[in-house]
Amino acid sequence: AQRVTQPEKLLSVFKGAPVELKCNYSYSGSPELFWYVQYSRQRLQLLLRHISRESIKGFTADLNKGETSFHLKKPFAQEEDSAMYYCALRGGSYKLIFGSGTRLLVRP
Amino acid sequence: ETGVTQSPTHLIKTRGQQVTLRCSSQSGHNTVSWYQQALGQGPQFIFQYYREEENGRGNFPPRFSGLQFPNYSSELNVNALELDDSALYLCASSVGQGVTPKTQYFGPGTRLLVL
Repeated sequence: AQRVTQPEKLLSVFKGAPVELKCNYSYSGSPELFWYVQYSRQRLQLLLRHISRESIKGFTADLNKGETSFHLKKPFAQEEDSAMYYCALRGGSYKLIFGSGTRLLVRP
Repeated sequence: ETGVTQSPTHLIKTRGQQVTLRCSSQSGHNTVSWYQQALGQGPQFIFQYYREEENGRGNFPPRFSGLQFPNYSSELNVNALELDDSALYLCASSVGQGVTPKTQYFGPGTRLLVL
């Protein structure tokens, strides 16, 4: 079965602390994974893709096929990082499978 | 902000009724995908239209149907509404067939409440 699991509904950290948002997936083929972000009162938008191995707004994510994970990390959280984060898996050629999301709250 | 718009923003219906939700794509985009997002959940794929043809569908019953028009705007129709259809409905437009997150933009969503 194709599935994305985000075990934490809420992650609260202080400004400057490291952040790790967990994502695990289940997929029988070669996975393609993404992180999406939704800031307050804004639309869902793509944050980064595993295939591009990029760092966006200080966030990185590494695909670990052995652990079937794609955790999102940032060494020093900023207050503007507070948002809803969704991990997603390309499930075939035309659909994305989303996790249930983790709300990141960065406190001053 | 992107050019994907959705109407209406909010809607209240009763069980058994029918509803039509609308989506206007980003200029130049020929693919539209629809997602249902229940409270506390991530978006769930309903279907995708490419050049006016449905080319992919998720695990939703036939009472969920759609249309894409020559100008690439789109409609989502839901017949015989059920209480569990209460959700935020998102459309996303993109370029080219299939899933292309790099070019995909989401709309603000329509919140449907079924009483």
